[in-house]
Amino acid sequence: AQSVTQPDIHITVSEGASLELRCNYSYGATPYLFWYVQSPGQGLQLLLKYFSGDTLVQGIKGFEAEFKRSQSSFNLRKPSVHWSDAAEYFCAVAITGTASKLTFGTGTRLQVTL
Amino acid sequence: GAVVSQHPSRVICKSGTSVKIECRSLDFQATTMFWYRQFPKKSLMLMATSNEGSKATYEQGVEKDKFLINHASLTLSTLTVTSAHPEDSSFYICSATPGQGRNQPQHFGDGTRLSIL
Repeated sequence: AQSVTQPDIHITVSEGASLELRCNYSYGATPYLFWYVQSPGQGLQLLLKYFSGDTLVQGIKGFEAEFKRSQSSFNLRKPSVHWSDAAEYFCAVAITGTASKLTFGTGTRLQVTL
Repeated sequence: GAVVSQHPSRVICKSGTSVKIECRSLDFQATTMFWYRQFPKKSLMLMATSNEGSKATYEQGVEKDKFLINHASLTLSTLTVTSAHPEDSSFYICSATPGQGRNQPQHFGDGTRLSIL
């Protein structure tokens, strides 16, 4: 079965600093890859997705992610973090398509200091 | 576009009562919807896949008789927590997608926080 690992449970960065959140997946082929963000008590908002093609994908709110097949990774990056980016970030994979069930990582909580 | 509405956002009720949560796709048709459960400071765990016009597919360990799912139309799925007890207290989130073949990701509702006293 597929699995998703987010090694960092909690990350703290200063506002304006760069950010990278790690995500590794385990699956025999290339899955569909997603990053979602969740604010406290809220649902999930899609930041970006990768299905195929260009391995560097751009998302909303200035986020980007790079798919690296050799490392089975899909790390999320942002050049300059804003205080409003503080939230929980989830990496997820789907196997058979976008309508298939998602397997989530355990999440990374981002704290932004001013 | 691709808005998913979940209602209610919060429920507090007594032990033993049944609670119904609605998940609606507002601007698209969703043949498949998903129900997740999230424990405090934990990830989302898939409970079941809801298919329009057919029985839901439950994940291992999820009690079918406890968590009743109905997907009567292409825009509505409901989750009923029957005879709820304090251990059922959690954050429940639904998602929906316009469907396979269109590369549309799942869109999530804002969740329902269920508190059983």
